[in-house]
Amino acid sequence: GQSLEQPSEVTAVEGAIVQINCTYQTSGFYGLSWYQQHDGGAPTFLSYNALDGLEETGRFSSFLSRSDSYGYLLLQELQMKDSASYFCAVRDLGDSNYQLIWGAGTKLIIKP
Amino acid sequence: EAGVAQSPRYKIIEKRQSVAFWCNPISGHATLYWYQQILGQGPKLLIQFQNNGVVDDSQLPKDRFSAERLKGVDSTLKIQPAKLEDSAVYLCASSLYGNQPQHFGDGTRLSIL
Repeated sequence: GQSLEQPSEVTAVEGAIVQINCTYQTSGFYGLSWYQQHDGGAPTFLSYNALDGLEETGRFSSFLSRSDSYGYLLLQELQMKDSASYFCAVRDLGDSNYQLIWGAGTKLIIKP
Repeated sequence: EAGVAQSPRYKIIEKRQSVAFWCNPISGHATLYWYQQILGQGPKLLIQFQNNGVVDDSQLPKDRFSAERLKGVDSTLKIQPAKLEDSAVYLCASSLYGNQPQHFGDGTRLSIL
C-alpha cells in the first residue's frame, strides 16, 4: 500500500531551527513535495525533491533520501508567521498518471 | 498572474440537499484537481482533469459526487444528495501539467446540518 508518516505536531521557539520529518511507502515514487497551509488558507507549494540531497530556498530547506524513503523540511530563523501546518506529499507514478499522495500534516506551533 | 478562483467561500446546507462548487484555474493550466480536506487531515484527491478529460476519479464517490470541465477551463463539482460526512473544505488546484507544482484556491468550506 501507499502511506506517509509525519509527526502530528511540533513546537519550536521563535528564531530557532526546526525539522519536520516524513517517511513514505509508495510503489512508484517520483519525488517528494512540501506544502504549507495556514489555518483557513490554501496549501502553498514550498519545495520539491526528485533526487537525493538538500534543496535550499531562503530560510527553508528540504532533504530527500530515496534509499531510506525519508525526507525532511528544515525551517531556520523561525518567525511567528511560520506557524502553520506542513504537508509532505509524494508524487507517485501510478497507472501512467502522476498522483500526489498527501500526508496528514504537521502542525508547527511557534512560541515567542 | 491571477490565482485559482473558487466560489462560494462558504456553504451551509441540510443533509440530502444538493450543492455545487465552481473553480476557475490559472490561465493556461491544463491540469485541474478537486480535493476534499477534512479538518485535521491532508487533502484527498477526488478527481483530476487533464484539459477536459478525466485522468483520475478513483476516489470520487460517484453515487453522489459529479464533476465536469466541459471546455477545458473552469470546472464544477456537485454533491447530490449531501451527507453529514461531506462536511469539509473542498479545494480546487491547477498545474501547468500533471507533474508540476499545484496552485490552490482558497477553498469552499461546506457544512452539512
